[in-house]
Amino acid sequence: GDSVTQMEGPVTLSEEAFLTINCTYTATGYPSLFWYVQYPGEGLQLLLKATKADDKGSNKGFEATYRKETTSFHLEKGSVQVSDSAVYFCALSDSGNTPLVFGKGTRLSVIA
Amino acid sequence: DAGVIQSPRHEVTEMGQEVTLRCKLISGHNSLFWYRQTMMRGLELLIYFNNNVPIDDSGMPEDRFSAKMPNASFSTLKIQPSEPRDSAVYFCASSPGTPGAFFGQGTRLTVV
Repeated sequence: GDSVTQMEGPVTLSEEAFLTINCTYTATGYPSLFWYVQYPGEGLQLLLKATKADDKGSNKGFEATYRKETTSFHLEKGSVQVSDSAVYFCALSDSGNTPLVFGKGTRLSVIA
Repeated sequence: DAGVIQSPRHEVTEMGQEVTLRCKLISGHNSLFWYRQTMMRGLELLIYFNNNVPIDDSGMPEDRFSAKMPNASFSTLKIQPSEPRDSAVYFCASSPGTPGAFFGQGTRLTVV
């Protein structure tokens, strides 16, 4: 079945550092890819998505590019802030009527 | 739109008691997913519905768990009898039929 593998955390960065969280996937078809973010005590929020190969999703300074050749969807941000501290989940979905398949999540802590 | 609404936000109950968690979907969404999140297991899909019909309940841990969708906008997850190992954060999410889902804030359940 479909699966998502993302880098283990936790990741600790200083403010203004560059962030990369790696995500690779295995799927039989051509899924849509997502990054969700979970702040402490809250639900998961959609951060960005890409629906086809070479698409770039972006939001709040974060971006990720759907790379079919490497089956990857790495999350990047050029300059992180303390407010970016959260758990980040990579996910895929074949359609809106089937469940998202999530990675295990990566906890990011940004220190001032 | 108010988003996916879950109630209660927090529930503390004694072992053996019945617990009912509630979820109101976003208007117009036709898929509903129930997830459970724990430190040990991460995010687990429990069950999902399309157009009020349960499609896959293989993630429901035991017969003590049951879920219903009495109408297109509302769902319940019931645990009877509850046990301490059921303590977790329970999320519901809804989807309009396009890839991706919108999550509620979750219900933190503590069974003592």
